[in-house]
Amino acid sequence: AQTVTQSQPEMSVQEAETVTLSCTYDTSESDYYLFWYKQPPSRQMILVIRQEAYKQQNATENRFSVNFQKAAKSFSLKISDSQLGDAAMYFCAYKPGTSGSRLTFGEGTQLTVNP
Amino acid sequence: DSGVTQTPKHLITATGQRVTLRCSPRSGDLSVYWYQQSLDQGLQFLIQYYNGEERAKGNILERFSAQQFPDLHSELNLSSLELGDSALYFCASSEGIGTNEKLFFGSGTQLSVL
Repeated sequence: AQTVTQSQPEMSVQEAETVTLSCTYDTSESDYYLFWYKQPPSRQMILVIRQEAYKQQNATENRFSVNFQKAAKSFSLKISDSQLGDAAMYFCAYKPGTSGSRLTFGEGTQLTVNP
Repeated sequence: DSGVTQTPKHLITATGQRVTLRCSPRSGDLSVYWYQQSLDQGLQFLIQYYNGEERAKGNILERFSAQQFPDLHSELNLSSLELGDSALYFCASSEGIGTNEKLFFGSGTQLSVL
């Protein structure tokens, strides 16, 4: 079974600084997708960024980027120029590359942004 | 706004009772997923429907059931409720069941069993 591990229950960062959230996963699949979701106090689950395992290039979405290390099964999220609105719980998630498959989530990392 | 609507937002009930949670997917989405988020179990997949048919089942208890109706909205029925069923229940939808599908989540229904 696939597992996703986020070893940092809490992280904090100063406004305008950069922070990296860690995620590792375990799978025997060669084709899969990885995601970072953000859950602010409103509880809404918001997709931040997505990475296809077959792509070597790291995904980037504005201030958010990932460091995808397939051999190491590592998928970290870097947030640059942190803003107060980035404060939220961040979840790493894994999805096998098979039709109809579901997401497996990590435990989450609570990010605090200090002014 | 993700376009996925869940009602009610909050639900308070007693042990032994039965409740129904409702989800309307984004316009055009045929696939609906239900997830449970609790403090001790984290985010867990419960069940998936695609165009009215059950597609995949996860850690869903026998006391729980779901269905997707012809208009594509879905309902999650929770019966014989226990204290441990208190959780945030999410619905998500996607256009289809392909490998490249993106899931869009609703705001969840917070269930409190007293």
